[in-house]
Amino acid sequence: GQQVMQIPQYQHVQEGEDFTTYCNSSTTLSNIQWYKQRPGGHPVFLIQLVKSGEVKKQKRLTFQFGEAKKNSSLHITATQTTDVGTYFCAGQTSGTYKYIFGTGTRLKVLA
Amino acid sequence: NAGVTQTPKFQVLKTGQSMTLQCAQDMNHEYMSWYRQDPGMGLRLIHYSVGAGITDQGEVPNGYNVSRSTTEDFPLRLLSAAPSQTSVYFCASSYSFSVGRNSPLHFGNGTRLTVT
Repeated sequence: GQQVMQIPQYQHVQEGEDFTTYCNSSTTLSNIQWYKQRPGGHPVFLIQLVKSGEVKKQKRLTFQFGEAKKNSSLHITATQTTDVGTYFCAGQTSGTYKYIFGTGTRLKVLA
Repeated sequence: NAGVTQTPKFQVLKTGQSMTLQCAQDMNHEYMSWYRQDPGMGLRLIHYSVGAGITDQGEVPNGYNVSRSTTEDFPLRLLSAAPSQTSVYFCASSYSFSVGRNSPLHFGNGTRLTVT
């Protein structure tokens, strides 16, 4: 079945450093969504990418969808303590009504 | 507007007991789903529904039943609880779900279940 892996599993950065998490799917995706989960909280939607090679920005966050639509990345510039949490990608395969979540990357930001 | 409401927030069960986790949404969302979250394994899809009367299996359906008799409610039933079902359970809903562009998933606050 479809599998979605994320690396790294954990990342500790100093405040002000950049951070990137990578998402890789075993199958071609029709679209991908990204979520953030604060400690003790629930996942909250960040963005959706649909087109091959698509790049979207939200302030310090940059999201990319690979040309083959099998991978994606989230890059945070100049991390802040408010960026702490776990970031998940969630991919949908064409013809299915399922979002399969990646394993998540847990980000810690040291002040 | 309450969004997605899950009850209870915490539950402890003994092995073999059954129980129902409740999920209700007041946003008129067609799509509803259940995920379980375990350390290091992300969120895994248990069951989902694309509308009232329609349900289907996700990645890890064994040991769980669902039904969708109304648009608003999507309960998850554990038939005979096992320690392997100790987890945090999230219900999520979406306004529309089709191939291609979809609405975001809105998550409830979760139910923390321990099976001893």
